[in-house]
Amino acid sequence: GAGVSQSPSNKVTEKGKDVELRCDPISGHTALYWYRQRLGQGLEFLIYFQGNSAPDKSGLPSDRFSAERTGESVSTLTIQRTQQEDSAVYLCASSLRGQGPGATNEKLFFGSGTQLSVL
Amino acid sequence: TQLLEQSPQFLSIQEGENLTVYCNSSSVFSSLQWYRQEPGEGPVLLVTVVTGGEVKKLKRLTFQFGDARKDSSLHITAAQPGDTGLYLCAGRPYGQNFVFGPGTRLSVLP
Repeated sequence: GAGVSQSPSNKVTEKGKDVELRCDPISGHTALYWYRQRLGQGLEFLIYFQGNSAPDKSGLPSDRFSAERTGESVSTLTIQRTQQEDSAVYLCASSLRGQGPGATNEKLFFGSGTQLSVL
Repeated sequence: TQLLEQSPQFLSIQEGENLTVYCNSSSVFSSLQWYRQEPGEGPVLLVTVVTGGEVKKLKRLTFQFGDARKDSSLHITAAQPGDTGLYLCAGRPYGQNFVFGPGTRLSVLP
């Protein structure tokens, strides 16, 4: 597709269940990011992939959160044993970043997000 | 603790009015970006500023990067209902990933 695609668009789950969120970046984009956006707030960085490696995982809030990327394409964010405070929109972005950390003109393209509700 | 502060948090104005929103930090950034986010969508990049003191214009929007590379402003002239949305600034500390501010929620009433 032409843009970043995320699925599902909405996910309702019960506390304690595991969830998987998927991101299909723009084809050829080397960098992929996951962010969390709580209601009415800004974006909270979770993890950054360059290719299939994750040089920056500093934003993952706990060991219940993990992410992987395969084929330098699709990424999956997994939340285990979900809790109510995990309720948020999870946004994925991709870019052509290829100049290492600090590429000043990097342009992020965002998907529409997955709205996660934990009951 | 927020690395980036944005003000005001909320702004509601009438169509045709001018407005300015601010993005401030005590940190120095190699570059700074502004995004607009509409309900149910991801943020969309409006501009990137990379030089201290830089001013960029995009139709009715004027963006300025502070001389010290710690702050930025977005000025909208003659606001229209289509300008309604959440405006996010994102600063890139040297050698690090972008950090986003909490946003300014703008509502332009017809």
